[in-house]
Amino acid sequence: DIQMTQSPSTLSAYEGDRVIITCRASQNIGTWLAWYQQKPGKAPNLLIYKASSLESGVPSRFSGSGSGTDFTLTISSLQPDDFATYYCQQYDAYPGTFGPGTKVEI
Amino acid sequence: EVQLVESGGGLVRPGGYLRLSCVASGFTFTNSWMSWVRQAPGKKLEWVANIKPDGSDTYYVDSVRGRFTISRDNTKNSLYLRMDSLSAEDTALYYCARHRVEYSFGYPKAPYFDSWGQGTLVTVSS
Repeated sequence: DIQMTQSPSTLSAYEGDRVIITCRASQNIGTWLAWYQQKPGKAPNLLIYKASSLESGVPSRFSGSGSGTDFTLTISSLQPDDFATYYCQQYDAYPGTFGPGTKVEI
Repeated sequence: EVQLVESGGGLVRPGGYLRLSCVASGFTFTNSWMSWVRQAPGKKLEWVANIKPDGSDTYYVDSVRGRFTISRDNTKNSLYLRMDSLSAEDTALYYCARHRVEYSFGYPKAPYFDSWGQGTLVTVSS
């Protein structure tokens, strides 16, 4: 199985900060990568697919980049609603595997 | 509005079974690939199983293959997961999710998920 890692595991930030989360795959996955946001007690919400395509309805302050094995999720200006855990997921090959998550907190 | 509502979770003893259900609304269920994804307490997400729109093909993660069975009833807009031989490692919140399928050179990629239910909790304990 393809292993996904994320860094950092926890990130402390202020409202208005630019936040960058990194995701790395154990092998080349092209751009077959998605990002999700999950708030406590809630289901995940799709933010980005195909590494850089913004899901409909997701604010433009979220962006994704990368290809191959290294990817980033950027929040350009952190808003109070963005404090959550973020997961990357590769879907290049079965089973689609998730990263361990990055918790963004105040 | 897409809605996915799971039910059927609960407390079960090791070796026991459960059947989870998910009722879908707000989209064309008969055209949609569907999955079950689980999340153990404090752990990352794990895709469990998926099924084609017409139910003709199913896929499973290795850890549940042979024990879990995914199925659907398109006349009832419903998705199911029959779970047998349960162990403590199966304790998790189980989400029903609609997923998209992309193709490369004619072959489907693994799923990613654009709509989720709120989950149903399965606890395996004696």
